[in-house]
Amino acid sequence: DGGITQSPKYLFRKEGQNVTLSCEQNLNHDAMYWYRQDPGQGLRLIYYSQIVNDFQKGDIAEGYSVSREKKESFPLTVTSAQKNPTAFYLCASSITLNQPQHFGDGTRLSIL
Amino acid sequence: SQQGEEDPQALSIQEGENATMNCSYKTSINNLQWYRQNSGRGLVHLILIRSNEREKHSGRLRVTLDTSKKSSSLLITASRAADTASYFCATVISSGSARQLTFGSGTQLTVLP
Repeated sequence: DGGITQSPKYLFRKEGQNVTLSCEQNLNHDAMYWYRQDPGQGLRLIYYSQIVNDFQKGDIAEGYSVSREKKESFPLTVTSAQKNPTAFYLCASSITLNQPQHFGDGTRLSIL
Repeated sequence: SQQGEEDPQALSIQEGENATMNCSYKTSINNLQWYRQNSGRGLVHLILIRSNEREKHSGRLRVTLDTSKKSSSLLITASRAADTASYFCATVISSGSARQLTFGSGTQLTVLP
């Protein structure tokens, strides 16, 4: 079955620590995205990638970094510069930009 | 504020009733999409309506788009308890920006059995 997989489902970060969230898709989609969702809120775009080896900042990129070395993978690193990282992180992909997005089931990040 | 804003923020209905959610946006769009999110899960795409379309149907879902009023509505007919979820509209703007979907804050729908 084709889909998009995020791991881990739950993640805890200590102060001053970087953590990396995994996102893998086997849908052969060119575009991939990372969103942050806070309780009772909509999604805010962190980073997106239109194609391999290319990515662009979204609305709230500060304190985050990404890479897109493979078409299937778009990991997100939450750095220690992100002062309020507790949130639900969603990864998505689409055939091309602006097309309907397929979402993973998210990673919930908390601070210890 | 966000491009898309849903109304109402929360809606509670009885099973079998129809549910209507509205979405308003500010700038010209290329298309508008509706998504559903069950608690603690990712979003699922429901329907896309292009700026030159006025109405689309998919099963029990009916979406309308009024570009003159910059608004869209999602109607779920004959609702079921399993329809309980948050529903989001998302817009793709027409400005040529490479920015992606902009999501509203959602409508929380509760369908009571």
